[in-house]
Amino acid sequence: EIVMTQSPATLSVSPGERATLSCRASQSVSSNLAWYQQKPGQAPRLLIYGASTRATGIPARFSGSGSGTEFTLTISSLQSEDFAVYYCQQYNNWPPLPITFGQGTRLEIK
Amino acid sequence: QLQLQESGPGLVKPSETLSLTCTVSGGSISSSSYYWGWIRQPPGKGLEWIGSIYYSGSTYYNPSLKSRVTISVDTSKNQFSLKLSSVTAADTAVYYCARQRQWLVHNWFDPWGQGTLVTVSS
Repeated sequence: EIVMTQSPATLSVSPGERATLSCRASQSVSSNLAWYQQKPGQAPRLLIYGASTRATGIPARFSGSGSGTEFTLTISSLQSEDFAVYYCQQYNNWPPLPITFGQGTRLEIK
Repeated sequence: QLQLQESGPGLVKPSETLSLTCTVSGGSISSSSYYWGWIRQPPGKGLEWIGSIYYSGSTYYNPSLKSRVTISVDTSKNQFSLKLSSVTAADTAVYYCARQRQWLVHNWFDPWGQGTLVTVSS
């Protein structure tokens, strides 16, 4: 199973500033990575797939980069609605290999 | 607009079987290029993929749960279902169903149901 490790666990950033979230895979997943945003009491929402392709309706301030084992989600200018928990998900060689998620990064207001 | 809705008991006794159904509206579960997945989230914790099914009935399960999981599909009702046997308190979680888009090598979950909390307790 590929283990996904996100850092930091919690990130404190002021509105209007840039946030950079990291996700590391225990082995290469190529560009087979997605990012999700989850707000309290809500289901996750897809932000990015293919490591860097924004999903439909996702604002341009969200961008993804990386390949292999190191990935980054960048939010260029934080809006109040962006404070949430973010998860990365790898789907390399699925099936038959299992899909796995990172443990999440909580983005909080500084 | 595609919507998914989970349904089932919110309380299950230890050693019994958890059963949930996901009803899909606004689109057909028989659409090609889509799988249908179950993901769970223990309170205050992260996400865990449980398994996925294609409308033809092909299934893929998380190896960590495979011995206890069965996912099935009913295309006539536009529903798919999850059964998890021999549950313990560790299976207490919010259970989500989601559409899994498969495009080339890419697989992502979108949209998701609102989730349903299942508590395992006597």
